[in-house]
Amino acid sequence: DGGITQSPKYLFRKEGQNVTLSCEQNLNHDAMYWYRQDPGQGLRLIYYSQIVNDFQKGDIAEGYSVSREKKESFPLTVTSAQKNPTAFYLCASRTGGSPLHFGNGTRLTVT
Amino acid sequence: AQKITQTQPGMFVQEKEAVTLDCTYDTSDPSYGLFWYKQPSSGEMIFLIYQGSYDQQNATEGRYSLNFQKARKSANLVISASQLGDSAMYFCAPNPHAGKSTFGDGTTLTVKP
Repeated sequence: DGGITQSPKYLFRKEGQNVTLSCEQNLNHDAMYWYRQDPGQGLRLIYYSQIVNDFQKGDIAEGYSVSREKKESFPLTVTSAQKNPTAFYLCASRTGGSPLHFGNGTRLTVT
Repeated sequence: AQKITQTQPGMFVQEKEAVTLDCTYDTSDPSYGLFWYKQPSSGEMIFLIYQGSYDQQNATEGRYSLNFQKARKSANLVISASQLGDSAMYFCAPNPHAGKSTFGDGTTLTVKP
């Protein structure tokens, strides 16, 4: 079955360390997205990519970086510049006007 | 700028009753679509239903339906015969604009037994 895989499910890091969250899809979707969600809050767009080797900043890109070297993969790096990195991170993809397909998310805790 | 608004941070409904969750889209584009997603406490995001602005009928999917008011640019989600498993956060999201896909703030629905 096609889908989106985010790994790991839980991630713990020390403050000051960069950390990379994985997102892989086998749906052959062109567009991919990263969202951040804080407890009880909505989804805020970090970065998005419509085609390989191209991506755009979302509403809260500061302290994050991404790459899109392959259609299937859209990793997100949370850098030490991100002031409050502890959150739930969701990756999604879509094709055309279809609904978003989401991964199961990664819960990042930075102490 | 396009803005999606969900005005109800939290809603309560009695089991087996119907409930309506609001969503309004501020856009000057006459052609648009609105998606609804459900997020249970596990965190997964589940697509529920979609309405296009030129659709002739209000969308329905099982116990979910949309009350689409074109003049107000709103697509309110109606859940009929609420079940305990409907307790979740519900998000409204428009079709991507220039590739950007954003969400409303969401509504937390609690179904009471």
